[in-house]
Amino acid sequence: NAGVTQTPKFQVLKTGQSMTLQCAQDMNHNSMYWYRQDPGMGLRLIYYSASEGTTDKGEVPNGYNVSRLNKREFSLRLESAAPSQTSVYFCASSQPGTSGGADTQYFGPGTRLTVL
Amino acid sequence: LAKTTQPISMDSYEGQEVNITCSHNNIATNDYITWYQQFPSQGPRFIIQGYKTKVTNEVASLFIPADRKSSTLSLPRVSLSDTAVYYCLVAPDTGRRALTFGSGTRLQVQP
Repeated sequence: NAGVTQTPKFQVLKTGQSMTLQCAQDMNHNSMYWYRQDPGMGLRLIYYSASEGTTDKGEVPNGYNVSRLNKREFSLRLESAAPSQTSVYFCASSQPGTSGGADTQYFGPGTRLTVL
Repeated sequence: LAKTTQPISMDSYEGQEVNITCSHNNIATNDYITWYQQFPSQGPRFIIQGYKTKVTNEVASLFIPADRKSSTLSLPRVSLSDTAVYYCLVAPDTGRRALTFGSGTRLQVQP
């Protein structure tokens, strides 16, 4: 199993450009998430999808859109990139605990985005 | 969502036991306590989860007192490879399951 994969690994954009970050998981998880992590900070939730066909805003959704294409794939789109969106973006998927409990999240390797 | 408070940083030496305490005064009845580990340039990785008392796995132990207002992650005999940021999170077992990350505790293990 590849787990959670993200493309691209690195990207440099100019202000105003658009791009889509791709994420896929092969663990048959229902829930998927997009986080951003600024230097020296914790992760902040951008959007999440509890199941195929549903998406919800997280803590910092402004400037982003998402698409849950199918159960495996969850993409994040920046329509008009701004320098404030320079960050590392992590995709994650989750499954319920095997004997109850909160979900365990599995993270991808991240996409390092710089907006000039 | 319950807010968590943990030390910003800790230092230790190889072979020592490290205990990182997290405060979560507003924890709800259906909340679980989960710890994640993050190495530089990688995504966080699940370490351990518990509800009350003590949980142990091959990596760490988690101690949760009866009032559940705090928890302690214990790493036995740390090595240089345990240098990482450790996040304490509180999340419910139902409803919205997205995690709220704080700044974590940066553990530096010295030789």
